[in-house]
Amino acid sequence: DVKVTQSSRYLVKRTGEKVFLECVQDMDHENMFWYRQDPGLGLRLIYFSYDVKMKEKGDIPEGYSVSREKKERFSLILESASTNQTSMYLCASSLSLGTGSGNTIYFGEGSWLTVV
Amino acid sequence: AQTVTQSQPEMSVQEAETVTLSCTYDTSESDYYLFWYKQPPSRQMILVIRQEAYKQQNATENRFSVNFQKAAKSFSLKISDSQLGDAAMYFCAYRFDSNYQLIWGAGTKLIIKP
Repeated sequence: DVKVTQSSRYLVKRTGEKVFLECVQDMDHENMFWYRQDPGLGLRLIYFSYDVKMKEKGDIPEGYSVSREKKERFSLILESASTNQTSMYLCASSLSLGTGSGNTIYFGEGSWLTVV
Repeated sequence: AQTVTQSQPEMSVQEAETVTLSCTYDTSESDYYLFWYKQPPSRQMILVIRQEAYKQQNATENRFSVNFQKAAKSFSLKISDSQLGDAAMYFCAYRFDSNYQLIWGAGTKLIIKP
């Protein structure tokens, strides 16, 4: 089974702090994603990475950056946390973007971030 | 613009009965994929079922099946013999061929009454 692990389930941070959310997948997937989930809004893509050191902005990249130094690890960084970044953050990965079942996206358990 | 709409914010069903969750989408693409994901209270999103648009046959996975109406752009999920473990948020998602972007619906909360 694919395993996507997010290192922190619950975090409380102060406004202005730098926050790191870590994600590791164990299935040699090419693609990794960071989503933000808010009630009534579904999931919104923050950033996407299709290879080591490669990234693309999603729908809501403002206030976030990412790092992918190794294939299995994808980090989300909040340079200066703000209260409107209080949310659930979901990491995900997929083997491919093409046709077939390899393009299925697998998710981690999520990280609840509260910024006070 | 591509959108996914789940018109039912919340649904409830008696245990062992059947429930259908609705999903409609808007696209001009012909090749795409549709997904239903389940997010139980533990919060891990898991894939329930997927459908390739080029396949006319509706996908099924045990008690879960879809009614895919391509012309109507409708993709509903039917859960038969509902179980307490089916209680969760259910999200419908769309992706067109070779694109990484998943377009998500807002979700439907499914409540199972014992």
